[in-house]
Amino acid sequence: DAGITQSPRYKITETGRQVTLMCHQTWSHSYMFWYRQDLGHGLRLIYYSAAADITDKGEVPDGYVVSRSKTENFPLTLESATRSQTSVYFCASSEWTGGMADTQYFGPGTRLTVL
Amino acid sequence: ELKVEQNPLFLSMQEGKNYTIYCNYSTTSDRLYWYRQDPGKSLESLFVLLSNGAVKQEGRLMASLDTKARLSTLHITAAVHDLSATYFCAVDMRGSQGNLIFGKGTKLSVKP
Repeated sequence: DAGITQSPRYKITETGRQVTLMCHQTWSHSYMFWYRQDLGHGLRLIYYSAAADITDKGEVPDGYVVSRSKTENFPLTLESATRSQTSVYFCASSEWTGGMADTQYFGPGTRLTVL
Repeated sequence: ELKVEQNPLFLSMQEGKNYTIYCNYSTTSDRLYWYRQDPGKSLESLFVLLSNGAVKQEGRLMASLDTKARLSTLHITAAVHDLSATYFCAVDMRGSQGNLIFGKGTKLSVKP
């Protein structure tokens, strides 16, 4: 299906486990982003990527790792999950036009609970 | 550091009434975005405002941008229940490679 998808949609894990959240987009957008959404904090950027093999930190990168070997995929890994990483995670993508970013399109989200 | 402030954070309206949501930001920006989020759902793009004085309208929603005042407004005309959602503004800080800074959102509830 066209668009941006995330998997899994729901995940429960335990403290200390490694978890990988997947994000896939079919538009061939250059830019991809990972956000977390928490009550009282709104959306905060974790990592972003300008192209395959180019990634950079956002506002709250600690405890997370990303990679982007292919344009369409942008997985987010929690190396050793902590309870504070319980959140809803959104992936987004956008194109770069005329020297500026276009609007970002968001995936459906992954609700992660760390026990 | 770019800060984005929305107010009000909560808004309860009656159907048929008009109201405005405000979005202030603290530094120069190239673009301002408005998104809508329904409970338990993802974010949906509503408007992208590109320049000073930009105005966009879709149905009962109208967004405007004043870059000199660093202010955007989202005006709701004759609210209906279907507009109940959380509305976020987001600002693209100049030179940030498209990184958006989001406001905390305005939760709108439209009651009959």
